[in-house]
Amino acid sequence: DVKVTQSSRYLVKRTGEKVFLECVQDMDHENMFWYRQDPGLGLRLIYFSYDVKMKEKGDIPEGYSVSREKKERFSLILESASTNQTSMYLCASSLKMRVDFGSGTRLTVV
Amino acid sequence: GQSLEQPSEVTAVEGAIVQINCTYQTSGFYGLSWYQQHDGGAPTFLSYNALDGLEETGRFSSFLSRSDSYGYLLLQELQMKDSASYFCAVRETPTDSWGKLQFGAGTQVVVTP
Repeated sequence: DVKVTQSSRYLVKRTGEKVFLECVQDMDHENMFWYRQDPGLGLRLIYFSYDVKMKEKGDIPEGYSVSREKKERFSLILESASTNQTSMYLCASSLKMRVDFGSGTRLTVV
Repeated sequence: GQSLEQPSEVTAVEGAIVQINCTYQTSGFYGLSWYQQHDGGAPTFLSYNALDGLEETGRFSSFLSRSDSYGYLLLQELQMKDSASYFCAVRETPTDSWGKLQFGAGTQVVVTP
């Protein structure tokens, strides 16, 4: 089974801090994604990557950036955290029709 | 605009059958998939329909009608462990290996004894 591991389950950060969310997958998948999940809004795509050093904006990229230096690792960066970025962040990787998700990082910005 | 519509909540008793409908309007369509998410857990893949018709996987079945931009997930012989949120998702990109999905807001299924 694919394992997608997110480095933190819970994070609390202050407004204005630079925040790094890390994600690692162990199945050599080329495609990786960052979603955020908010009640009533489902999962919204922030960024995705289809190869090392390649990235594409999703539906809500503002205030975020990403880094993919190695195939197995995809990082989400909040350049200057704001309270409206308090959310559940889900990393995922995919092969063909199936997407596998990590357990999520619940980020609170105070 | 792009949208996927599904009911916000469905309640049913153990042993019953539940159908969760999903209608979609997206920029591209290359398949409809369904995910289950328990409270505090990660979404997990349930099924995928690229072509019209019914796909059955154990107690769960998924249906697609591309001409109607409509699909549903059917949960049979409901069990308490089926209490979870269920999301429909449309694959918008044609490349086999890409997984760019547009998700619905989710349907909370509550199973009562």
